[in-house]
Amino acid sequence: GAGVSQSPSNKVTEKGKDVELRCDPISGHTALYWYRQSLGQGLEFLIYFQGNSAPDKSGLPSDRFSAERTGGSVSTLTIQRTQQEDSAVYLCASSLRGGGQVGTQYFGPGTRLLVL
Amino acid sequence: AQSVTQPDIHITVSEGASLELRCNYSYGATPYLFWYVQSPGQGLQLLLKYFSGDTLVQGIKGFEAEFKRSQSSFNLRKPSVHWSDAAEYFCAVGALDMRFGAGTRLTVKP
Repeated sequence: GAGVSQSPSNKVTEKGKDVELRCDPISGHTALYWYRQSLGQGLEFLIYFQGNSAPDKSGLPSDRFSAERTGGSVSTLTIQRTQQEDSAVYLCASSLRGGGQVGTQYFGPGTRLLVL
Repeated sequence: AQSVTQPDIHITVSEGASLELRCNYSYGATPYLFWYVQSPGQGLQLLLKYFSGDTLVQGIKGFEAEFKRSQSSFNLRKPSVHWSDAAEYFCAVGALDMRFGAGTRLTVKP
């Protein structure tokens, strides 16, 4: 596709349920990032994938959060046992280079998650 | 640890007036610095970036930013604001694990 796509665009769930958020990066981009944007906050780095290397999970806020990237392309961010404080917009970005080289990140439109 | 501070949460300027959005950073090495804009309902779009070289960088939509190492600042400027510039602006620092500021919301008065 022309840009980074994310699905769903909106997700409402009940506290305690698991959710999966999907990100399709720009074709050919080797690096993929997940961020969280809470209301009135900046972007919080969550996790970074580069090619087939082990992901940098240093930003994940708890062990309820996990992410995988299959085939070096599509990524899924999973939140288990959701809490109300997980409500936020989850943004995905991809870039052409990583692994020590800085590439411009292209952002998707985000998934707005509301935990009731 | 790297961090970014955007001191102004909300700025209002008149259309045609000049604009400066402040950004201060903390970074252990030579910083990679970015400005992104987020329009309502839109994803983040890169305005400009600084890696090295000339400390005054030009971006899209008539924006520019100046890197001042002595002040740990990377302020964004535009000489004449247009109504379409109303948006949220984020400064970011870093490489692989970028750190973003909390953002500055820009309102443009007619």
